[in-house]
Amino acid sequence: QKEVEQDPGPLSVPEGAIVSLNCTYSNSAFQYFMWYRQYSRKGPELLMYTYSSGNKEDGRFTAQVDKSSKYISLFIRDSQPSDSATYLCAMKDPGGKLIFGQGTELSVKP
Amino acid sequence: NAGVTQTPKFRVLKTGQSMTLLCAQDMNHEYMYWYRQDPGMGLRLIHYSVGEGTTAKGEVPDGYNVSRLKKQNFLLGLESAAPSQTSVYFCASSYERGLNSNQPQHFGDGTRLSIL
Repeated sequence: QKEVEQDPGPLSVPEGAIVSLNCTYSNSAFQYFMWYRQYSRKGPELLMYTYSSGNKEDGRFTAQVDKSSKYISLFIRDSQPSDSATYLCAMKDPGGKLIFGQGTELSVKP
Repeated sequence: NAGVTQTPKFRVLKTGQSMTLLCAQDMNHEYMYWYRQDPGMGLRLIHYSVGEGTTAKGEVPDGYNVSRLKKQNFLLGLESAAPSQTSVYFCASSYERGLNSNQPQHFGDGTRLSIL
């Protein structure tokens, strides 16, 4: 079993929809939960990060962490075609290394 | 400010050939990493370095070697390429101070390597 599980999709939604992307993890020692966005043929770029349980909002994006359930989510409101990308969750292990999920491919149709 | 630059961007090799992938960063970052990305597997850490002259193994180090002779450069070598090493390779760097640092990793745009 992978330490971090993420639904690979692909996920296709109409423009303006609310998107929910999710990851589960097995190691309760993980800290610093991150979401990276990766456009086609580009490297991942950090979108959001959070340390504690709860919600963190940044514009149309909200990151949610539930440490008791070992579950993190990224919500995208009013999704745009420019949001079409692969979204990767990542978590920092006690040794300081990032453990990535498999990535979810999102397509937002105009 | 170029960030993280990887060369080459694309390469085709024959089984048994060797090559070196170059990563350069201009952000004065201490930490550098090499990952490979395969379909359904996400990003997996090959090797990393916490400073000039130091290297360490990651999750999938077999078949690869690395060197960090200068702070800004991190080289990934394949001594005898195998088809299983066909992948997209990403280099990243970060400014880390302590294991609990929340500094993000900055990625290059990848090297697409195909081994025939």
